[in-house]
Amino acid sequence: AQSVSQHNHHVILSEAASLELGCNYSYGGTVNLFWYVQYPGQHLQLLLKYFSGDPLVKGIKGFEAEFIKSKFSFNLRKPSVQWSDTAEYFCAVNDDSGYSTLTFGKGTMLLVSP
Amino acid sequence: KAGVTQTPRYLIKTRGQQVTLSCSPISGHRSVSWYQQTPGQGLQFLFEYFSETQRNKGNFPGRFSGRQFSNSRSEMNVSTLELGDSALYLCASSSLPTDEQFFGPGTRLTVL
Repeated sequence: AQSVSQHNHHVILSEAASLELGCNYSYGGTVNLFWYVQYPGQHLQLLLKYFSGDPLVKGIKGFEAEFIKSKFSFNLRKPSVQWSDTAEYFCAVNDDSGYSTLTFGKGTMLLVSP
Repeated sequence: KAGVTQTPRYLIKTRGQQVTLSCSPISGHRSVSWYQQTPGQGLQFLFEYFSETQRNKGNFPGRFSGRQFSNSRSEMNVSTLELGDSALYLCASSSLPTDEQFFGPGTRLTVL
């Protein structure tokens, strides 16, 4: 079975600091990769996704992620965080079975202090 | 285009009762998936439906069941509720199973 691990459960940053959230998955086949964000009191929203092609993908709100197949990683980055980025971030994987099933990491709670 | 809607948003039940949760996908979406979110286990997959057929099921006991109707709306049912069933239940829809999924706001179930 697949699994997804997110390296940090809680991250605290000051505004304008750079962000990198780690995500590793365990599946040897073709994968689709996602980062979702859950702002306080809101539902899960897609930040970005990787299906194929350029391994560096850009998402909304200045976020980007890089797929490194050899490291089974899909790390999320943002050069300069804002207070409004305070949220919980989830990495998710979908394999090539044809199902929509997403396997999620446990999430990383990001707190950005003004 | 309206998003995924889930009803009710909040529910309080007692142990042993059963509950039915409803999900209306985005118009035109035929694939619906359900997830359970808890602080301890995170987000775990429950079921996937496409065109009224259950295509995949997560590792949950048989007390958890679901169905999808011809209009793509979906319901999930939990019978003989246990305290550990307290969670946020999320529904997600997509045009096709392999497309991007859009999540609803969830139904917060509390079992007393």
